[in-house]
Amino acid sequence: SQQGEEDPQALSIQEGENATMNCSYKTSINNLQWYRQNSGRGLVHLILIRSNEREKHSGRLRVTLDTSKKSSSLLITASRAADTASYFCATDRYNFNKFYFGSGTKLNVKP
Amino acid sequence: DAGVTQSPTHLIKTRGQQVTLRCSPKSGHDTVSWYQQALGQGPQFIFQYYEEEERQRGNFPDRFSGHQFPNYSSELNVNALLLGDSALYLCASSPPGPTYEQYFGPGTRLTVT
Repeated sequence: SQQGEEDPQALSIQEGENATMNCSYKTSINNLQWYRQNSGRGLVHLILIRSNEREKHSGRLRVTLDTSKKSSSLLITASRAADTASYFCATDRYNFNKFYFGSGTKLNVKP
Repeated sequence: DAGVTQSPTHLIKTRGQQVTLRCSPKSGHDTVSWYQQALGQGPQFIFQYYEEEERQRGNFPDRFSGHQFPNYSSELNVNALLLGDSALYLCASSPPGPTYEQYFGPGTRLTVT
């Protein structure tokens, strides 16, 4: 399975701190995406990184991708209570929008 | 512009029954994918519809079937419900062309008793 796996499973930090979560996967991919999910509802797309990219930024988000290690990391800087959510990485091997999700990192940002 | 919509929001069914979930994609999107998310887990790909045909399928039994209509909306049908089918069912739509964008609906929470 090429399913991604996030680490840690849960993370609790204070508002203002940075949060880092990692994702590992098993097979080659064409792109990797990070999603946020609040309270078990729909997923919100955060950022996409293609297999030929190493780093991308979007606002307070920074994503890295290391295809040699089959891993990615998501950094949220200056976290806010509103960032409290579950974060998932999703990999797409063939660019057919058939995504494999990990089990997620549950982030709790304490005010 | 409405995003992806799903109905119903919640549903309670009994084992052995059949259920139909509905999804309307975002305006301009022609591809619809369905995912099952069990409690505490990540979404699992069920199948994807494009041009009214099932284009890709995940590792789900034939009890799970779908349909896409000419207006690109889609239905997910599950027959002979099992307790293990209790989950959040998510629909995602994608625009035409070589794109990796995928927009998710709020989901339908199915409980099988």
